[in-house]
Amino acid sequence: DVKVTQSSRYLVKRTGEKVFLECVQDMDHENMFWYRQDPGLGLRLIYFSYDVKMKEKGDIPEGYSVSREKKERFSLILESASTNQTSMYLCASSSQNTEAFFGQGTRLTVV
Amino acid sequence: KNQVEQSPQSLIILEGKNCTLQCNYTVSPFSNLRWYKQDTGRGPVSLTIMTFSENTKSNGRYTATLDADTKQSSLHITASQLSDSASYICVVVRSNYQLIWGAGTKLIIKP
Repeated sequence: DVKVTQSSRYLVKRTGEKVFLECVQDMDHENMFWYRQDPGLGLRLIYFSYDVKMKEKGDIPEGYSVSREKKERFSLILESASTNQTSMYLCASSSQNTEAFFGQGTRLTVV
Repeated sequence: KNQVEQSPQSLIILEGKNCTLQCNYTVSPFSNLRWYKQDTGRGPVSLTIMTFSENTKSNGRYTATLDADTKQSSLHITASQLSDSASYICVVVRSNYQLIWGAGTKLIIKP
């Protein structure tokens, strides 16, 4: 079974803190994605990566950065967390033109 | 503009009843259409994937249809069970692998 693991299910951080969300996949997938999901808006793509050390902006990259130093790990970084970044964050991985497999999600609250 | 619209936004039905969820899209160029089930607080899980040439696909009690001419898809759930309570998300994939997500239909099954 494909496994995509996110480091935390729930996270509470203070405004201005630097936040790291980690994602690890065990299927040697080339592609990894970070989404955020807010009520009524569906999933919105923040960043994605097609290869190690490679990153591409998605639809809403502002306020976020990413790191992919190893193929199996894709990190999402909030340089200075703000309350409007309170959301559910979902990581996914896939091979070329195959189904994307999702992690269980991280519900981040910024206070 | 590439968009995916789902209806209804939410739906409550009695256990054992059938229901149909709708998805209309204006995405091009089209590659495939996917339906996902997302339990509360979890990542989405794939139900079906349909390409341009497929107009129906089943996965157990779930049957998806696709009309590529009218750009409409539906997900029919037969003999609903309490475990079917979830959000159902329609996703249209463009030829460049970009995923366009609908906002989802929240389905509640009442005993």
